[in-house]
Order: sequence, then structure tokens, then C-alpha cells
Amino acid sequence: QIQLQQSGVGLVKPSQTLSLSCDISGDSVSSNSATWNWIRQSPSRGLEWLGRTYYRSKWYTEYAISVKGRITINPDTSRNQFSLQLNSMTPEDTAMYYCARERCRGTICYSGSDIWGQGTMVTVSS
Amino acid sequence: DIVMTQSPDFLAVSLGERATINCKSSQSVLYSSNNENFLAWYQQKPRQPPKLLIYWASTRESGVPDRFSGSGSGTDFTLTINSLQAEDVATYYCQHYFLTPRTFGQGTKVEIK
Repeated sequence: QIQLQQSGVGLVKPSQTLSLSCDISGDSVSSNSATWNWIRQSPSRGLEWLGRTYYRSKWYTEYAISVKGRITINPDTSRNQFSLQLNSMTPEDTAMYYCARERCRGTICYSGSDIWGQGTMVTVSS
Repeated sequence: DIVMTQSPDFLAVSLGERATINCKSSQSVLYSSNNENFLAWYQQKPRQPPKLLIYWASTRESGVPDRFSGSGSGTDFTLTINSLQAEDVATYYCQHYFLTPRTFGQGTKVEIK
């Protein structure tokens, strides 16, 4: 059974950096048949895709323009996990953060996100 | 970015009746190479992550009851819940995965009348 388990601190001060990890069991972060995504949800912004990483003979990352310049998503093959770092946090970044998998066949990702982590509530406050 | 717009925002349906949720994308999500629509539907209950119900606009995810069905093509899509059950009370979202960034509709909250 494929599972994603999130970890990381849920309270961040303004201007500081959010760091979250997503441990993968039952699949591989290096799989050629998946992409590994970070998505957040807040009442004001709804569900918002932040970015993804995936391996297709080499590593790729893509980020949403709304957070580009502040975000880093990194795979860790030794731990079979991927991480999210979001810098210069503001109260507008307060949200539930999810990691999620998308299934793919080659270059075509065909299903949306079929596996989700449990979520981490992140609050930005001094 | 592709904008996804759902209607209605809120829906109250009697037990056993049909619920219909609409989703419109600001551009077509039909992929010409395989003639598939890159559109998914999710169900989210309080304090849970979204659960994938439907992908390719009309393909039910494994284990999803057959009272859930998806239809539509191009820019206009529908999620239908036939014979609404109490456990179907939730918020439903559409999402495209045609390109990045993936974007979601604003959600439709379904309750029992």
C-alpha cells in the first residue's frame, strides 16, 4: 500500500523558512511513473499547487509562479522522500500543506493526485 | 494559468436524489494525442485530504462507488452523484492536469436537504 507521511514544524515566524518532508512508502521518489507534488489549501486561496519534482533519466522540478523565487522542492533518494522549503514566510502563507503523488506513463501524467499525505497545518505568526 | 470555475458553490440534495456539479475550464483540457480530457474530480471531508474520485473526466478511481460518474469534454464537465448517501456529504473539487500549474475549482459543498 502506497503511503505518504509528512513531517515538519507547523509554526513559523514571519520572514523565516518553512521546511516540510514527505516520506514515501510503497513507491520510489525516483520512479519513472510518478511525480511528487506539494499543494496547499487555505480559505482565501483554496487548493493551490505549489510545485513538483520527478525523475525521467534526470531530475526535474517545476514551481508555481506565485511562489517562484521562494520555493525549493528537493528529492532525497537515500531516504526515499521529498521536501519543501518556502522562504520569507508571511501570514498569507498560513495554510494546510499536502504532499501528493501523480501517476504517469512516460511523459503523460494521467490521473491527478491519487495519493496524499495527511497534511500539515502551517501557521505564520510571531 | 487555466482557471477552473465550479457551480454551484453549495448544493443541498435529499437522500437518494441526484446531485450535479459543474466545472468549466478557461481553455480546453482535451489532449489531442490520446483524445482524453485531463480533468479530475476529488471529494474532501473535514480534516481529511482530498480523495481522487474520477480522472480523465469519466474514469472512476479504483474503489469509488459507481453512483459517482463524470462526463464532459473540452471545457465543460459534470460530476453526478446518483442516489446521494449520507456519507457523500463533502466538498467536491475539479482539477485540470493538462499542464502546469495544476489548478483547482473553488469547490462545491454538498449537504443533505
